[in-house]
Amino acid sequence: QKEVEQNSGPLSVPEGAIASLNCTYSDRGSQSFFWYRQYSGKSPELIMSIYSNGDKEDGRFTAQLNKASQYVSLLIRDSQPSDSATYLCAVNAYIWNFGNEKLTFGTGTRLTIIP
Amino acid sequence: EAGVTQFPSHSVIEKGQTVTLRCDPISGHDNLYWYRRVMGKEIKFLLHFVKESKQDESGMPNNRFLAERTGGTYSTLKVQPAELEDSGVYFCASSQYGQRGEKLFFGSGTQLSVL
Repeated sequence: QKEVEQNSGPLSVPEGAIASLNCTYSDRGSQSFFWYRQYSGKSPELIMSIYSNGDKEDGRFTAQLNKASQYVSLLIRDSQPSDSATYLCAVNAYIWNFGNEKLTFGTGTRLTIIP
Repeated sequence: EAGVTQFPSHSVIEKGQTVTLRCDPISGHDNLYWYRRVMGKEIKFLLHFVKESKQDESGMPNNRFLAERTGGTYSTLKVQPAELEDSGVYFCASSQYGQRGEKLFFGSGTQLSVL
């Protein structure tokens, strides 16, 4: 079993709709959860972080965490063509990192927004 | 402010040769990380520097890989001798000491191809 699992996609969503990306993790002790966006040939860019159960909203992005189910998701509202990218889920055992960002990544989900 | 810079962006070498990858972190960032993504797999942690000291090198695959960070500024990752399975994208990331994981910045990576 992979430590962090994501559906590789590709996931196609019409422009303006909600894109839903999912991630499960195996280490029940995980404390920090991140979503990175990566455009082709570019660096991964952090777009959301979440540490507590529930929802965290930032603009069009909402991260959802359920530690009991070991599940984290990312919702993108009003999807735009510029949201087309690979989305990487990453997990860390530490909640206050003080320089310990040893992240465990999933393989990523490729998202395509259809105009 | 300049981001994390990696050089070269691409490297093609033959099996048995030596390659050195370089990473310049964001100025003032004490933490420097190396990650690697091999084809079709997830991004995996290699090692972590705090300034010039190796904090965690548990992800280094074998002794053909040598990472250095002299003076606590830029870092190099040498592969000697390179093998076919070393092909992949090598990412460098940096963060400021004492900051949470959300401040982890990635470079664009070096695409290494071993033929």
